[in-house]
Amino acid sequence: DAGVIQSPRHEVTEMGQEVTLRCKPISGHDYLFWYRQTMMRGLELLIYFNNNVPIDDSGMPEDRFSAKMPNASFSTLKIQPSEPRDSAVYFCASAGFQETQYFGPGTRLLVL
Amino acid sequence: AQSVTQLGSHVSVSEGALVLLRCNYSSSVPPYLFWYVQYPNQGLQLLLKYTTGATLVKGINGFEAEFKKSETSFHLTKPSAHMSDAAEYFCAVSQNTGTASKLTFGTGTRLQVTL
Repeated sequence: DAGVIQSPRHEVTEMGQEVTLRCKPISGHDYLFWYRQTMMRGLELLIYFNNNVPIDDSGMPEDRFSAKMPNASFSTLKIQPSEPRDSAVYFCASAGFQETQYFGPGTRLLVL
Repeated sequence: AQSVTQLGSHVSVSEGALVLLRCNYSSSVPPYLFWYVQYPNQGLQLLLKYTTGATLVKGINGFEAEFKKSETSFHLTKPSAHMSDAAEYFCAVSQNTGTASKLTFGTGTRLQVTL
């Protein structure tokens, strides 16, 4: 298995632009999680899905952030408009019945 | 509610020395406990996990951890450090609900290994 795939790996954009991060979970996993990692706040769970349905989005910072999972093999995290304080590494993770979450390599976002 | 406390944001050991990374948790229900490792510019990789059963859990790369309910601890150890162990280590807890659920992470401990 290729593991969790994220794209792009690096993104540099200007403030105000729309940013879309993509994630392909491990085939057969029912759960998908989006995390954000910063020096100041550490690892934060933003949102997670079960069977493509959002279960808990209480970690989404504000309305500028949105996440979708149109099918079992694809999810997006969108930031519109982006701000410099959104600069972080964004991780996607997926999990099956046995609980263990497997993480992707992350997308390093820099908003100028 | 659940939380994780990792004592020591930075730990430095000599190559060949014992590695001990501390983790204490708080959980209102029986927890699942995890240790993940993050190498520079990479994602998190599972080292080991405790769900139920044997309280001493062995993981990859020679690491192990012991679940001590009375101390609410899940410390990570390795008898002999190797240079390749230098990384950041995260302890995490989730609720034992039988299905995948939210992980709450500690703030991480950066392990430095010196010659």
